[in-house]
Amino acid sequence: SQQGEEDPQALSIQEGENATMNCSYKTSINNLQWYRQNSGRGLVHLILIRSNEREKHSGRLRVTLDTSKKSSSLLITASRAADTASYFCATGPPYGGKLIFGQGTELSVKP
Amino acid sequence: SQTIHQWPATLVQPVGSPLSLECTVEGTSNPNLYWYRQAAGRGLQLLFYSVGIGQISSEVPQNLSASRPQDRQFILSSKKLLLSDSGFYLCAWSVPRRFSGANVLTFGAGSRLTVL
Repeated sequence: SQQGEEDPQALSIQEGENATMNCSYKTSINNLQWYRQNSGRGLVHLILIRSNEREKHSGRLRVTLDTSKKSSSLLITASRAADTASYFCATGPPYGGKLIFGQGTELSVKP
Repeated sequence: SQTIHQWPATLVQPVGSPLSLECTVEGTSNPNLYWYRQAAGRGLQLLFYSVGIGQISSEVPQNLSASRPQDRQFILSSKKLLLSDSGFYLCAWSVPRRFSGANVLTFGAGSRLTVL
């Protein structure tokens, strides 16, 4: 069953703009992760935020987590055409079980 | 460093034919291994996972099976493919939980299966 729901399903922006993607989930989590998938390729892990953290940065990526609202956001600043990909959130349950992936956001960055 | 190999990359098979997708991991011992399927809607569905040789957990009832004959080898099989088995299959591995507080997955490049 799917736990994470990404919003929007698709996002189109111009190079240089910021891209924000949101993820909502339903049950308690130990951590939330974001992955990227280029068309026709495997997923690549981007960043992990634990349930006791509120914000995390990695390069041009900023992830926030609000456990009271059961939601997370991924911000990509100063986007580039190479950022064009699908982005997935995945939640890790408290008991250390399997990751549950959302449906993804398809990001298109136009040069 | 660790690497994951998955093959074949592309496969076109007739309905009723058998299937075998293979995944191997290098550079680590006793990894957790996973098979996911990704349909056209982009979401990932966990099919099987394994925490050790011969230990397979199935997440959803289906026409597929998985085996782990060696520590770093994970095989996805079917005896008779259905049209609905078409999709993009992804193998992944993670560090065993006793060494990690979170399951971070490393994915293979994927296998595109088309059943005609």
